[in-house]
Amino acid sequence: GAVVSQHPSRVICKSGTSVKIECRSLDFQATTMFWYRQFPKKSLMLMATSNEGSKATYEQGVEKDKFLINHASLTLSTLTVTSAHPEDSSFYICSALAGDNTGELFFGEGSRLTVL
Amino acid sequence: AQRVTQPEKLLSVFKGAPVELKCNYSYSGSPELFWYVQYSRQRLQLLLRHISRESIKGFTADLNKGETSFHLKKPFAQEEDSAMYYCALRYKLVFGAGTILRVKS
Repeated sequence: GAVVSQHPSRVICKSGTSVKIECRSLDFQATTMFWYRQFPKKSLMLMATSNEGSKATYEQGVEKDKFLINHASLTLSTLTVTSAHPEDSSFYICSALAGDNTGELFFGEGSRLTVL
Repeated sequence: AQRVTQPEKLLSVFKGAPVELKCNYSYSGSPELFWYVQYSRQRLQLLLRHISRESIKGFTADLNKGETSFHLKKPFAQEEDSAMYYCALRYKLVFGAGTILRVKS
């Protein structure tokens, strides 16, 4: 099956710094990727839809200036958490939509962000 | 508005017992529904989709448009089925809150 890779898997940063998380589709091209945030023992919260070559579409309540998304190529989307605060600490997951129009999503392994 | 509801946060069953994980949806268009599973320390992966009408790992799910449901069923639970299960609706893949299935021996 298709593989989506996220990097880094874990990152610890100081409050006020920015952190970039990468999401790559390794063996297929993904025009659409999604970014989620997962709270402990809770569901996935869709943050934004990332479309290659255009601006990301953010869900209601998600600060676009806080969570910068760039989808510059068909295999890479990045999420940058700017001026991170402890409340931004979370598990961030990306997924890529299969190109065969089946609607199947392939998920990355997730990135654990801890802001001190 | 699109919405997916999974009423049970945790479902605990004994090995060999039948399992039914409930999922109800709200969508004005023609729905496409999926079940995703997340085993311990693994990434989310697709379990099955309604359009393929297949059985994966003994699980089946039937789309009932009248009841707006897409419940996941398995006649005999196995310990390796213990995981987090998410029901998802295609448009932007809206996820339900998830149900933890715990199969006890």
